Amino acid sequence: DGGITQSPKYLFRKEGQNVTLSCEQNLNHDAMYWYRQDPGQGLRLIYYSQIVNDFQKGDIAEGYSVSREKKESFPLTVTSAQKNPTAFYLCASISGTNLNNEQFFGPGTRLTVL
Amino acid sequence: AQSVTQPDIHITVSEGASLELRCNYSYGATPYLFWYVQSPGQGLQLLLKYFSGDTLVQGIKGFEAEFKRSQSSFNLRKPSVHWSDAAEYFCAGAHFQKLVFGTGTRLLVSP
Repeated sequence: DGGITQSPKYLFRKEGQNVTLSCEQNLNHDAMYWYRQDPGQGLRLIYYSQIVNDFQKGDIAEGYSVSREKKESFPLTVTSAQKNPTAFYLCASISGTNLNNEQFFGPGTRLTVL
Repeated sequence: AQSVTQPDIHITVSEGASLELRCNYSYGATPYLFWYVQSPGQGLQLLLKYFSGDTLVQGIKGFEAEFKRSQSSFNLRKPSVHWSDAAEYFCAGAHFQKLVFGTGTRLLVSP
C-alpha cells in the first residue's frame, strides 16, 4: 500500500540534544511538507520541498533543518536552537506541486523534550 | 495576510443531530479551501475541497461544505452525526504553494 511513514511514533530527548524525525513516502510525490501541531494552534508550516535538493522555509523554520536528497525522503532535524520543541510533528506530501491535488499526511511523531 | 479562522474551539452535538462547523477566510481572489479531519494522535484526512464552480461540495463520510463568497465562509455540515465523527476538524486555505490552517474545532458527540 502507498502512503507516508513517520518514525518513530513517540520520541523522547534531553534538552540540548539534536533529534531527527524520519518521513518516507512511496507515493512518488514531488512535494513534501513538515508541520508542527500544538494544542489550540492548528498546524504551522516548518519547511517544504517541491523538488529533490531544494527546500524552502515555512512560517516557523527557526531551530529546524531539513534535507531532500531523495524524492521519497524528507527528514527533519530539531536542533538545540529550537526553544520549545515539544510538539506533534506531521509530514505531508502532494503529487506535483499544485495544491489542487490532495495533500496526504503521515501518522505523526510526538516529540517530548525532557 | 491570508488567514483562515475557525471561531469555535469545541462543539458538542448529540448523536443523530445535524452539525455545522464554521470557517472564515481572508483571501483576495477565489481561494482553494479544504476541510480535514484528525482522530486523536493521528494524521489528517481530507474530507472535501473547493476550487471553483458549484459552491456546494460533497465529501467523504457524508460531509458537505458550502462556499459563500459574500460571507467569506466555507462551513462544513453533516445532516446526522455519528459517534465515530468525534474528532478534530481543520479548515485550510491554499496560499501560493502552502496550506494555511485554522486552529481547529474539536467535535464531541454525546449519546
